[in-house]
Amino acid sequence: GQNIDQPTEMTATEGAIVQINCTYQTSGFNGLFWYQQHAGEAPTFLSYNVLDGLEEKGRFSSFLSRSKGYSYLLLKELQMKDSASYLCAVRDSDAGNNRKLIWGLGTSLAVNP
Amino acid sequence: DTAVSQTPKYLVTQMGNDKSIKCEQNLGHDTMYWYKQDSKKFLKIMFSYNNKELIINETVPNRFSPKSPDKAHLNLHINSLELGDSAVYFCASSQGLAGSYEQYFGPGTRLTVT
Repeated sequence: GQNIDQPTEMTATEGAIVQINCTYQTSGFNGLFWYQQHAGEAPTFLSYNVLDGLEEKGRFSSFLSRSKGYSYLLLKELQMKDSASYLCAVRDSDAGNNRKLIWGLGTSLAVNP
Repeated sequence: DTAVSQTPKYLVTQMGNDKSIKCEQNLGHDTMYWYKQDSKKFLKIMFSYNNKELIINETVPNRFSPKSPDKAHLNLHINSLELGDSAVYFCASSQGLAGSYEQYFGPGTRLTVT
């Protein structure tokens, strides 16, 4: 079956670093996405990984290990505005109906002063 | 210059009614989607159209019918609304289905069925 696991909630302090993990079990793999969703708003794209390794984009980095079915999103120099839900999504395949994204339930991050 | 827009933003209606939600994107994308996000925040794909052709049709009640008059528009019509239909419905678009094409989401339509 298809499954994406993320922690439900995390708490961190302003200025700190936080790592949000995502593990997946899918029949195929054609890329992993991270999205940010603030309360009452739409998800917005953060990062995409399809090869193993770390992708850095400003304060946010995303890591992928395909052999372990594992990814993490690293947020540095946390700001209050980073309080949001972070959604991990995997594209199962590149053909037919499986081209859809399989979404995790999201990790709700609270950044405290 | 909104990229993906939806109307209405809020929709409150009674059980049994029929309602429509409209979506438009001005990004020139070929692919559009409808998602349902319930109270537990789970984002569930409902439909996807590529160049006006239905390509993803998840197991949703046939009371839900999408219509794509052109590549820039994807509407969702819901018949005989039920309490369980209450959720936030997001429209999204992407340049294509494959590879790294990220999805751009509309602001969402919060549907409340009473």
